[in-house]
Amino acid sequence: KAGVTQTPRYLIKTRGQQVTLSCSPISGHRSVSWYQQTPGQGLQFLFEYFSETQRNKGNFPGRFSGRQFSNSRSEMNVSTLELGDSALYLCASSLEAGAIQETQYFGPGTRLLVL
Amino acid sequence: LAKTTQPISMDSYEGQEVNITCSHNNIATNDYITWYQQFPSQGPRFIIQGYKTKVTNEVASLFIPADRKSSTLSLPRVSLSDTAVYYCLVGRSNDYKLSFGAGTTVTVRA
Repeated sequence: KAGVTQTPRYLIKTRGQQVTLSCSPISGHRSVSWYQQTPGQGLQFLFEYFSETQRNKGNFPGRFSGRQFSNSRSEMNVSTLELGDSALYLCASSLEAGAIQETQYFGPGTRLLVL
Repeated sequence: LAKTTQPISMDSYEGQEVNITCSHNNIATNDYITWYQQFPSQGPRFIIQGYKTKVTNEVASLFIPADRKSSTLSLPRVSLSDTAVYYCLVGRSNDYKLSFGAGTTVTVRA
């Protein structure tokens, strides 16, 4: 069974631009969660989507948004990029909603560099 | 929100047992404790999850005392391939108050 895939793997943008990251969950998984990982802040939860609905959102500004499609694939968008948005963005999928009790499977991440 | 604290790094040798303790003093009643392993350039990988007492699977054991204010991940007989960063996650799904530890870099030497 194929794992979680994320595209692109690497991305370079400049301040003020916007970016869209894509995540394809494991086949049959209906929940997708997004995380930001930086050396300073570590792993931080962004949001979770289940059945095309955002279930929960972490403590991030409104510049960070996402959506989920009917095939469970998810996209994350960051508008008006700032230098501090440089990070590894990880996507994780699970069978059902509730990424704590459910086992999450992470993708390899998209490394975003903002110049 | 439960604040999680774990050691920054630990060194070990092949064949030894490694125990990593995560402190989460203000853990909530319905919080779960989950441990992940992460290698460079990869996403975290689920190791084990527990709520209380002891949980064991084919790769690790998780010990949680009665007060649940800490938890210990035990890796038996580590090998070089266990060199990685290990994260403790405390949280619950109903309101998504998640708290990841900063990670413990475990280095296994021959």
